[in-house]
Amino acid sequence: LAKTTQPISMDSYEGQEVNITCSHNNIATNDYITWYQQFPSQGPRFIIQGYKTKVTNEVASLFIPADRKSSTLSLPRVSLSDTAVYYCLVGEGSGYALNFGKGTSLLVTP
Amino acid sequence: DAGVIQSPRHEVTEMGQEVTLRCKPISGHDYLFWYRQTMMRGLELLIYFNNNVPIDDSGMPEDRFSAKMPNASFSTLKIQPSEPRDSAVYFCASSLSPEGWGHIPSYNEQFFGPGTRLTVL
Repeated sequence: LAKTTQPISMDSYEGQEVNITCSHNNIATNDYITWYQQFPSQGPRFIIQGYKTKVTNEVASLFIPADRKSSTLSLPRVSLSDTAVYYCLVGEGSGYALNFGKGTSLLVTP
Repeated sequence: DAGVIQSPRHEVTEMGQEVTLRCKPISGHDYLFWYRQTMMRGLELLIYFNNNVPIDDSGMPEDRFSAKMPNASFSTLKIQPSEPRDSAVYFCASSLSPEGWGHIPSYNEQFFGPGTRLTVL
């Protein structure tokens, strides 16, 4: 599995846009990029997945450059409830094992 | 569907005791994963099953850990004997194989249970 690198923590104020960048220099051709969100005392939950270019859903946007060696999760106008840990994972989209690691801890304050 | 169900939600035991964690995956899901989460190491995969068969147990820390999936609706993770360093939150997750998602074969969303917080004294 391709190794990912993401910041340990980030801080933001309510209403701001938050961008979390993940580096995955060794991503393979068949690998998809997946982001999960974990609130305190809960299991992670899927946010978004993409292969290239841009993907958007009701929760976030995922930007993937042409070389796919990095990806950026964008959270528009965050609120206090977006305080969570965000995980970037890279691996074949086949239900196989994914390496979550420690993720990025996002703290949103008033 | 009620989602992935784990029991117990909290477990406190003494060193040396046997601990059994239980998981009921979402009906129809053919992949089941066991994870362990600690502050030091983050969220680590321990083992996963496909159609009740263990596929990869390379994440199981040592022989004290064992996992079984006797049928499609039940799995256990057993620690015997338990040690204080086993204290962690253990998550179970389930997923459909790509074929199950029809025209989106890459879709591999895992659905996590609420976790079991294990404390070994």
